[in-house]
Amino acid sequence: DTGVSQDPRHKITKRGQNVTFRCDPISEHNRLYWYRQTLGQGPEFLTYFQNEAQLEKSRLLSDRFSAERPKGSFSTLEIQRTEQGDSAMYLCASSPKRVYNEQFFGPGTRLTVL
Amino acid sequence: AQTVTQSQPEMSVQEAETVTLSCTYDTSESDYYLFWYKQPPSRQMILVIRQEAYKQQNATENRFSVNFQKAAKSFSLKISDSQLGDAAMYFCAYRSLPGTYKYIFGTGTRLKVLA
Repeated sequence: DTGVSQDPRHKITKRGQNVTFRCDPISEHNRLYWYRQTLGQGPEFLTYFQNEAQLEKSRLLSDRFSAERPKGSFSTLEIQRTEQGDSAMYLCASSPKRVYNEQFFGPGTRLTVL
Repeated sequence: AQTVTQSQPEMSVQEAETVTLSCTYDTSESDYYLFWYKQPPSRQMILVIRQEAYKQQNATENRFSVNFQKAAKSFSLKISDSQLGDAAMYFCAYRSLPGTYKYIFGTGTRLKVLA
């Protein structure tokens, strides 16, 4: 399978715990994005990487959120001291270096904070 | 800031019939892309169709076509000969050009296809 993959697919955690999600983009896609999607809403942009550089970050991304993309390959999204409001689907997408920049989405990681 | 509005939370269509999903957006920019994405239940989002704002011709992909009205800031999706597999959430998305690569999504329209 050469699509975008995300791990884990589901995560249940207790409030106050830290969680980390992983995204593996399509090979040779230099751009990688994280979105958050809550029930009944469209995806909301969180952050964007071009290669290993984090070029844009939403105000939605509080200090408890951090994302990395070492070596410009896979990316991790960490949430520290989780809160119930963090419960959502976290989507990763990647895109090649092309003008129209179609984003290919992964299946998402569903986070439930108890 | 740009916004995308999908005013139809849910739509139904009979199999083999045609349905149109609405999307409006607000922007002060002249160059941008618009997209329709499909999100089937418990499956990942896939691109349905893309429209570049500088192109006057409406995009078409097989049974899917758009009606792009730039002045009205409207971008509707028409699905012809609806199939059971078309049942999904449909999201309209906007992307500025050039500059930011982030998408701004609408809240989605749930499409039900009736046999």
